[in-house]
Amino acid sequence: EPEVTQTPSHQVTQMGQEVILRCVPISNHLYFYWYRQILGQKVEFLVSFYNNEISEKSEIFDDQFSVERPDGSNFTLKIRSTKLEDSAMYFCASSAGTGGNQPQHFGDGTRLSIL
Amino acid sequence: GESVGLHLPTLSVQEGDNSIINCAYSNSASDYFIWYKQESGKGPQFIIDIRSNMDKRQGQRVTVLLNKTVKHLSLQIAATQPGDSAVYFCAEITSGAGSYQLTFGKGTKLSVIP
Repeated sequence: EPEVTQTPSHQVTQMGQEVILRCVPISNHLYFYWYRQILGQKVEFLVSFYNNEISEKSEIFDDQFSVERPDGSNFTLKIRSTKLEDSAMYFCASSAGTGGNQPQHFGDGTRLSIL
Repeated sequence: GESVGLHLPTLSVQEGDNSIINCAYSNSASDYFIWYKQESGKGPQFIIDIRSNMDKRQGQRVTVLLNKTVKHLSLQIAATQPGDSAVYFCAEITSGAGSYQLTFGKGTKLSVIP
């Protein structure tokens, strides 16, 4: 079964540094998403992306965050100047569509640790 | 934000018994609901979904029930197995508002006793 893959599995970075989290969505999917999960808390929506532009974003997704689909297979999340509170699991998801029977499929996440 | 890690509802069931996991959702305008399973160190895994024009949907060993009157969703797992041990999240989408972001609930930890 096709999977969403994310790299790296764990990223450790100094506060203030830039990080790029990478995702390869399922190949025939058109909608892409980033979510985050702070340790022990529920999964929170960050941003959705379709047709090479952001469709929706949450309040969490401020100017420090950006997304990009640099080629036909990768989808990246960049955090420009990391803060301690950015430490979390970041999940990428993709879906073929947005209706019923087209659920979002998640990768196993990148654990981001900010020191 | 509020930490719910130490207060995650936990359900312990004997292997072979049926499990019922409940979820109260927040938005009466939500029209699509999904149950996800999250094992330790893994991402959420899709289990089953239901649209708001239905009140029941069955999959393999799982059944989702939707009660829109009280904004309640439940997941029933038949003949629970050790591999079912995980945290289960319900999620909702309000597509009628043009939004397709998943809003997740807080999760329930299911522990299966062999």
